[in-house]
Amino acid sequence: AQSVTQLDSHVSVSEGTPVLLRCNYSSSYSPSLFWYVQHPNKGLQLLLKYTSAATLVKGINGFEAEFKKSETSFHLTKPSAHMSDAAEYFCVVSRPLGANAGKSTFGDGTTLTVKP
Amino acid sequence: GAVVSQHPSRVICKSGTSVKIECRSLDFQATTMFWYRQFPKQSLMLMATSNEGSKATYEQGVEKDKFLINHASLTLSTLTVTSAHPEDSSFYICSARAGNEQYFGPGTRLTVT
Repeated sequence: AQSVTQLDSHVSVSEGTPVLLRCNYSSSYSPSLFWYVQHPNKGLQLLLKYTSAATLVKGINGFEAEFKKSETSFHLTKPSAHMSDAAEYFCVVSRPLGANAGKSTFGDGTTLTVKP
Repeated sequence: GAVVSQHPSRVICKSGTSVKIECRSLDFQATTMFWYRQFPKQSLMLMATSNEGSKATYEQGVEKDKFLINHASLTLSTLTVTSAHPEDSSFYICSARAGNEQYFGPGTRLTVT
């Protein structure tokens, strides 16, 4: 079984300030973890992924996330927010191996607002 | 990187008609594809797992006779929404598995009038 909880449904930051989007997961195996971004009326864009290699994962557009097994967390951060970062962000846990490999569970999403 | 396409990107249909959505893996073969549904301002919910050459596995609460899934080849899975109703209006997204990686399509927005 697997589940994911995004701790904040809305996050609002000022342009140029740091971004922190929190995600906790639960799984009965070593999971793969992903962050996706979705702009209004658009599809999903992969920001970054963790697949049991380095625990600090760097993604596109300056985002990064750190896998902390002891805290079952995979929080997304960015040092300095841009207006274009305003979007919906999804944390996703996926089973990497076995018969159900690839079956993904999405968090409820966090809406990021960036104020000028 | 691997690319997954969906067709159409948008479709409007009348209540009672059926709509077919295609999901294609363009540069890799996918023995497994997944179909998700996203209602406005909500997260994505897995509907079913589509395996090439066999019957799809549906998640609890998803009507298999309403959402017909066919995975006829290693690069194509189709989702047919039969006898569509306004409550079926949603954003449908597929993904294709390649090894331990998963790649999402751009989504299809279905509006049933």
